[in-house]
Amino acid sequence: QKEVEQNSGPLSVPEGAIASLNCTYSDRGSQSFFWYRQYSGKSPELIMSIYSNGDKEDGRFTAQLNKASQYVSLLIRDSQPSDSATYLCAVTPGGYNKLIFGAGTRLAVHP
Amino acid sequence: DVKVTQSSRYLVKRTGEKVFLECVQDMDHENMFWYRQDPGLGLRLIYFSYDVKMKEKGDIPEGYSVSREKKERFSLILESASTNQTSMYLCASSLPGLASSRSEQFFGPGTRLTVL
Repeated sequence: QKEVEQNSGPLSVPEGAIASLNCTYSDRGSQSFFWYRQYSGKSPELIMSIYSNGDKEDGRFTAQLNKASQYVSLLIRDSQPSDSATYLCAVTPGGYNKLIFGAGTRLAVHP
Repeated sequence: DVKVTQSSRYLVKRTGEKVFLECVQDMDHENMFWYRQDPGLGLRLIYFSYDVKMKEKGDIPEGYSVSREKKERFSLILESASTNQTSMYLCASSLPGLASSRSEQFFGPGTRLTVL
């Protein structure tokens, strides 16, 4: 079982819709959770972090964390073509200051 | 803003050459990391460092070594490059400690290495 799992996609959504990206993790002791956006040929860029159960909103982005079910999700409201990228979920396993990355979900927002 | 820079965006080397990839960060971060990224495999940790002259193996250290002589600089060395080391190499840095926000990692632009 992979430590951090994401659906590879592509997830295709129309412009203006809500894109929902999901991630599950295996280590119950995981403490910190991050979403990175990566455009083709570029390096990952941190867009959201979440540390406690519930929702965290930042502009059009909402991160949701459910530690009991071991999943974290990212919602993108009013999706734009510029949101088309690969979204990487990353988790800090318990007791370690390093990140475990999922393989990423490719999002395509079409006009 | 955190700035992480890498010595080259693109690099082409021949099999058997010794390759140096350099990474510099300007935010006084203690932790530095080297990853490689391949299609379908995601980001895989090669080595990381918690302090000057300290290094820890990641998930795929074979064929690589690292050097951290100064806090701001972390070098990845391919002792004898092979074609299966053709990849995108990414450097990242973060603050130390287990406090949640301190584990945010900031990435450099990446080096796309091709070994012929």
